[in-house]
Amino acid sequence: QKEVEQNSGPLSVPEGAIASLNCTYSDRVSQSFFWYRQYSGKSPELIMSIYSNGDKEDGRFTAQLNKASQYVSLLIRDSQPSDSATYLCAVGGKLIFGQGTELSVKP
Amino acid sequence: GAVVSQHPSWVICKSGTSVKIECRSLDFQATTMFWYRQFPKQSLMLMATSNEGSKATYEQGVEKDKFLINHASLTLSTLTVTSAHPEDSSFYICSAVHGTRPNNEQFFGPGTRLTVL
Repeated sequence: QKEVEQNSGPLSVPEGAIASLNCTYSDRVSQSFFWYRQYSGKSPELIMSIYSNGDKEDGRFTAQLNKASQYVSLLIRDSQPSDSATYLCAVGGKLIFGQGTELSVKP
Repeated sequence: GAVVSQHPSWVICKSGTSVKIECRSLDFQATTMFWYRQFPKQSLMLMATSNEGSKATYEQGVEKDKFLINHASLTLSTLTVTSAHPEDSSFYICSAVHGTRPNNEQFFGPGTRLTVL
């Protein structure tokens, strides 16, 4: 059974802080990793993809991948209240989703 | 761009009726589309993989005779929920694979909220 695990949260951070979201996966041969943001009542929106070990930065977002540890994370710098949402980690070509981490950014 | 649309955005139907949901890739061709279902406070669960011109591949536990999938063109896949019951009430979301993006990234439609009375 291929699994993707995330802390369900909620994770609460003050505005301007760094939010750190973590994800582990069980399938060692996975090659593609994604972070989606989902607002309540809406469908997921792709915010980051990463395919090789190391960091990938896009604006305020940084994805980190460590295949040896089967671990992928998402850092959100200068968190804003508009970042409050559920963040879904997804792995593989046929996406296997984690249960999502609810992030709340307090003004 | 990579825009995926779904229609309708919400639907209410009586128990025993059938409902068709359309998923369209608006600005790219998608040989593969996926159908997901999401219950409140839960993550997305893959129902089936839809490939243009061939039969859909269903995930374990998903009834293929109840959830009919047709992928007749490179921009359109449909999901028909047959003889819907209240337990089928859920948020149905499709995604389309953008073949020219790295590792075939998936882009999601806005979802269809189905309520069966």
